Parts: sequence; structure tokens; C-alpha cells
Amino acid sequence: KQEVTQIPAALSVPEGENLVLNCSFTDSAIYNLQWFRQDPGKGLTSLLLIQSSQREQTSGRLNASLDKSSGRSTLYIAASQPGDSATYLCAVRVGNNRLAFGKGNQVVVIP
Amino acid sequence: DTEVTQTPKHLVMGMTNKKSLKCEQHMGHRAMYWYKQKAKKPPELMFVYSYEKLSINESVPSRFSPECPNSSLLNLHLHALQPEDSALYLCASRGGGSAGELFFGEGSRLTVL
Repeated sequence: KQEVTQIPAALSVPEGENLVLNCSFTDSAIYNLQWFRQDPGKGLTSLLLIQSSQREQTSGRLNASLDKSSGRSTLYIAASQPGDSATYLCAVRVGNNRLAFGKGNQVVVIP
Repeated sequence: DTEVTQTPKHLVMGMTNKKSLKCEQHMGHRAMYWYKQKAKKPPELMFVYSYEKLSINESVPSRFSPECPNSSLLNLHLHALQPEDSALYLCASRGGGSAGELFFGEGSRLTVL
């Protein structure tokens, strides 16, 4: 069974610092990996999707890498802002219709 | 348009009520999902419809009854719920193939009294 881990569960950084969030998974047989953002009481917003054949994806200040062989992905947010405060969830697609989610990183960016 | 629309945003119901949650997408996606999310937990898969047919039921109690009337709509019928069913219910849709990105709606916050 695929296990997805995100450590630490919570972190705080000063505004302007770069954020680095890590996600690890136990089975490298994945279709893709997706990073989501969730604000309190809201739905999940897709940030980046990395296919199993790709090494990284970029969107604005966000960059996500994927190393399937070591079962790791990193989400990098440059020059963090208070508006980046949220919970970030990593999910790997393990079958045609199933995602395995990590428990998330709760991020606070301090002004 | 990458939008999944869920109604209502908030719902309060008694244990004897019957209510429904609705979800709509116009991205032409043929896979649609219901997830349940409790506070500070990741979403838990409940049901998946693929090409309007139920393809996954994660052993969900029968008091939750999904329905997919057409390729754009997904309903979740609720009956005789328990207080522990109070949660955020999320709908999602995915485009076809291994490239499919999952898009979520804003959720319906359900409170069972």
C-alpha cells in the first residue's frame, strides 16, 4: 500500500524566505504527483502536476521536483508572502482513479 | 474554465432529514469523485464515477447514495446521517488518461445535528 509522508506537519517562516516542502512516498510505481494548496474550510487548489516521466514543473514562484527512484518530491516557493500561508498537500496517483494523500504541511508566513 | 461548482456551501440537517449535495463541471471530464474531509486530515475517497458509471465505492455506508445523472453532474444523496458524518464534502473531476489533473470544488460543509 502506498504511504505518503509530509514532514514537518507545521512550519513558520519569515516573509521573503524561500519555502521548501518535502513529500516522500513508498512505492515508485506512480502515474503522477500533484501538489495542492488548501485554505481553512476551503477546497483544494491544484498547484502543480508532475508526470511520472518528468523531473520538475514550474509555475511562477513555484517549482516542484520529482525523483521517482528515491520516492521524493520537493515543492519550492520562492520569496514567500503572507498570502502563501495555507496547508500544502502532496498526492500521488497510484491507479487509474485513486490518489494517495500526505497529511499536509501547514505553513505560516510571518510578515 | 477549470471550475468545479458545489452547492450548497453549507448544510445543516437533522438525523432524520433527506438532503442532497450537488456538483457540476463543464471541463468535459469523464471521471468524478466524492471525498470526505475531517478537520486537519487529508481527503478520504468515497466514490468514483467513470463515464457515468460507479467504478469505486470505498465501503461507504448506504446512508450516502451517489448519483451521476450525466457527464457534467454528480449528486450525493444523504439520509439518516449521524453526527459523526459532519465534515467537508469535496467533489473533484479529472480529465482522461495518465495525464489527468484532479480539480476540486470548494466543498460543502455538512453539519448533522
